[in-house]
Amino acid sequence: EDQVTQSPEALRLQEGESSSLNCSYTVSGLRGLFWYRQDPGKGPEFLFTLYSAGEEKEKERLKATLTKKESFLHITAPKPEDSATYLCAVLGSSNTGKLIFGQGTTLQVKP
Amino acid sequence: EAGVTQFPSHSVIEKGQTVTLRCDPISGHDNLYWYRRVMGKEIKFLLHFVKESKQDESGMPNNRFLAERTGGTYSTLKVQPAELEDSGVYFCASSQNSGDTQYFGPGTRLTVL
Repeated sequence: EDQVTQSPEALRLQEGESSSLNCSYTVSGLRGLFWYRQDPGKGPEFLFTLYSAGEEKEKERLKATLTKKESFLHITAPKPEDSATYLCAVLGSSNTGKLIFGQGTTLQVKP
Repeated sequence: EAGVTQFPSHSVIEKGQTVTLRCDPISGHDNLYWYRRVMGKEIKFLLHFVKESKQDESGMPNNRFLAERTGGTYSTLKVQPAELEDSGVYFCASSQNSGDTQYFGPGTRLTVL
């Protein structure tokens, strides 16, 4: 059964303190791993798609990496506006379009 | 370009009543998905439309839930009769092709009292 586990559940950082969020997955044939950001009361906002081990993508202070078992979202010198819940989801080969989500990591960046 | 829109943003109903949620996907997106997040749990898949056809409805919890997408444009999700455990946030997403990045709407928060 496809499964996604995110850690930690919650993370508090000081502004400028870099860190990483983890997404461990089990899936039969990975077709894609997706990172989303969700602000309170809003829908998930797309950040990155990774398709194969070794792939990396960057956007401003965020960098996503992928191995055969996990993905990391690295946050470099975060700012308070980076505070949000970060969601990881996978799409497996056995599903046409069904995303399997992790529970998310809630990040708080203090000034 | 307009994103995915959902209506209403909030709905509070009594147990046993009926509620209909609406989703308008991004224009040109043939694939439309419904997801739900109940308190304290992860977002879970409900079903997937390709145009007007149901491609996968494996996540629909029971026959009180009915999803339609007449004409392959907007979709509705009806809950009849609503139960307390149906409370949660219902998200709609769309993509151009199956397997492409899914773009989510803002969600409908449903509260069943």
